[in-house]
Amino acid sequence: ETGVTQTPRHLVMGMTNKKSLKCEQHLGHNAMYWYKQSAKKPLELMFVYNFKEQTENNSVPSRFSPECPNSSHLFLHLHTLQPEDSALYLCASSQDLGAYWNEQFFGPGTRLTVL
Amino acid sequence: DQQVKQNSPSLSVQEGRISILNCDYTNSMFDYFLWYKKYPAEGPTFLISISSIKDKNEDGRFTVFLNKSAKHLSLHIVPSQPGDSAVYFCAASPANAGGTSYGKLTFGQGTILTVHP
Repeated sequence: ETGVTQTPRHLVMGMTNKKSLKCEQHLGHNAMYWYKQSAKKPLELMFVYNFKEQTENNSVPSRFSPECPNSSHLFLHLHTLQPEDSALYLCASSQDLGAYWNEQFFGPGTRLTVL
Repeated sequence: DQQVKQNSPSLSVQEGRISILNCDYTNSMFDYFLWYKKYPAEGPTFLISISSIKDKNEDGRFTVFLNKSAKHLSLHIVPSQPGDSAVYFCAASPANAGGTSYGKLTFGQGTILTVHP
């Protein structure tokens, strides 16, 4: 149990669908992250939020829209995705971005398939 | 352009022996290095880290070595156990001028470690 949960664990969607991925952390952290892991590729950072404010957008296409309503919840809204967006999407949290380094705790991920 | 590379996709080791996982990086701005371990159907979990001001950090059976001039780090597991079988990711992060983290981790592709009984 890492304290970071993600729902759903698996998602299949068509290219015209709209869906959302949810992440919740129970660790009292203030920084949250979205990562993408495509097949045979490294984990790629997508977005960073610190105290609900977005601090990093790693050139992510606008068809991915993050939302952080509070420090415990992070969403990734998906619309008009492409088959190449099929990947494992991982959420992580850390205490905040203020220290030299804070360990990031990962959720189990959502396996997304775009048909 | 991959800034963190793990050139060995897999490694197979006998129980009790040493496992050595390697990682190379290209970005000289990286200041902090980490190893994460991942089991199937779980998210990565933090294993051990090292700051660029050190060349070695040890935690039980796990030791990370950093060679800044070669831009190379390695993870040694001694002795290896079957429960160590997992995917191991190397990651690196820059620090900003204020000494705080951007929270930006750059990961390698991972190495699948299999420890045979």
